Amino acid sequence: DTQMTQSPSTLSASVGDRVTITCRASQSISTRLAWYRQRPGKAPNLLIYDASTLQSGVPSRFSGSGSGTEFTLTITSLQPDDFATYYCQQYNFYSTFGQGTKLEIK
Amino acid sequence: EVQLVQSGGGLVRTEGSLTLSCAASGITFASAWMTWVRQAPGKGLEWVGHMKSKTDGGTREYAAAVKGRFTISRDDSKITMFLEMSSLKIEDTGVYYCAASSGWDQASDIWGQGTMVIVSS
Repeated sequence: DTQMTQSPSTLSASVGDRVTITCRASQSISTRLAWYRQRPGKAPNLLIYDASTLQSGVPSRFSGSGSGTEFTLTITSLQPDDFATYYCQQYNFYSTFGQGTKLEIK
Repeated sequence: EVQLVQSGGGLVRTEGSLTLSCAASGITFASAWMTWVRQAPGKGLEWVGHMKSKTDGGTREYAAAVKGRFTISRDDSKITMFLEMSSLKIEDTGVYYCAASSGWDQASDIWGQGTMVIVSS
């Protein structure tokens, strides 16, 4: 199994801040990684796929990078809607989600 | 409109069975990878399994926690995917989401609204 480890588990920030979330795979997954945002009580929403490709309709303040085993999601100029939980997902072999990063208002 | 509408779910006894449905619209069903994801109360997302697109062979793959107990199937005439769950355990409790990849990549860009499954003894 490919394990996905996200860090940090919780992140406190303010509106307008820039934040970075990291996801590490237990083995190489090339660029077969997606990032999702999930608001409380809602289904996840795809932000980034193929590690760095912005999903249609997603604001450009979201960006992804990385390949192999190390990946990052960066959000610039945080908006109120961005305070939610973020998950990475590998789909190189079967699929696995990271444990999530809760982004809180400072 | 592109959407997935889920039905099914509810309360079931341990060792019981339940089937969830996921009706698609606005998606080219034959070329979409269809996925089930669940979320236990207060916990993170867990991949349950997926069915590859017909063009990619239609293979079904499952997480170890559900393999042998859960089965993913589809009815192309109804553009609907199913998750048949049997030998249910307490730890299967949670919100179940169906999802689809409508593009060339396998990431899920379309999600159902979720349906709650509660397994109780």
